[in-house]
Amino acid sequence: GENVEQHPSTLSVQEGDSAVIKCTYSDSASNYFPWYKQELGKRPQLIIDIRSNVGEKKDQRIAVTLNKTAKHFSLHITETQPEDSAVYFCAASRNDMRFGAGTRLTVKP
Amino acid sequence: NAGVTQTPKFRILKIGQSMTLQCTQDMNHNYMYWYRQDPGMGLKLIYYSVGAGITDKGEVPNGYNVSRSTTEDFPLRLELAAPSQTSVYFCASSTTGVEQFFGPGTRLTVL
Repeated sequence: GENVEQHPSTLSVQEGDSAVIKCTYSDSASNYFPWYKQELGKRPQLIIDIRSNVGEKKDQRIAVTLNKTAKHFSLHITETQPEDSAVYFCAASRNDMRFGAGTRLTVKP
Repeated sequence: NAGVTQTPKFRILKIGQSMTLQCTQDMNHNYMYWYRQDPGMGLKLIYYSVGAGITDKGEVPNGYNVSRSTTEDFPLRLELAAPSQTSVYFCASSTTGVEQFFGPGTRLTVL
């Protein structure tokens, strides 16, 4: 089955800096790659997603890039703010969704 | 729309007890999912359903059962609860099988 690895497990940045989280996947047939943000004690919330026929997608301060050949995708957050502090999960899906282990992002004011 | 709702929010079980976690969605989504999230970890798929009457195993189905008699409801049954089933359980639904909307979760402790 699909295996998703996510790095780093923790990331601390200064407010205003950029943050990058990377994921790799194993199943070349996976065709949907979402990113979820989860605040402490809350449900995961979809923040951005990308499909396998697209290389990059941007939504305001958040962007995701996908390299199908290398089987990796990344989340980029620019101009980070303290409210971006949360755990971020990547996932890869063909029929069922497999999640990475998460990255705890801390944005220091 | 209430979206995806789950009950109960919290539950403590003794080893060997059984319980059903309830999940309901009012968005007329065909796809529904059950995940568990252990502390500091990502979500693991337990079971999923692509429509009423159809269920399939996910990554970690052992110790659980599901049913899908209606589009709205997707209960998860734990028989003979074990400490290893202590986790937060999330239900999710989707209209297309891709973008998933999560419920608020049920925090289960087995002692």
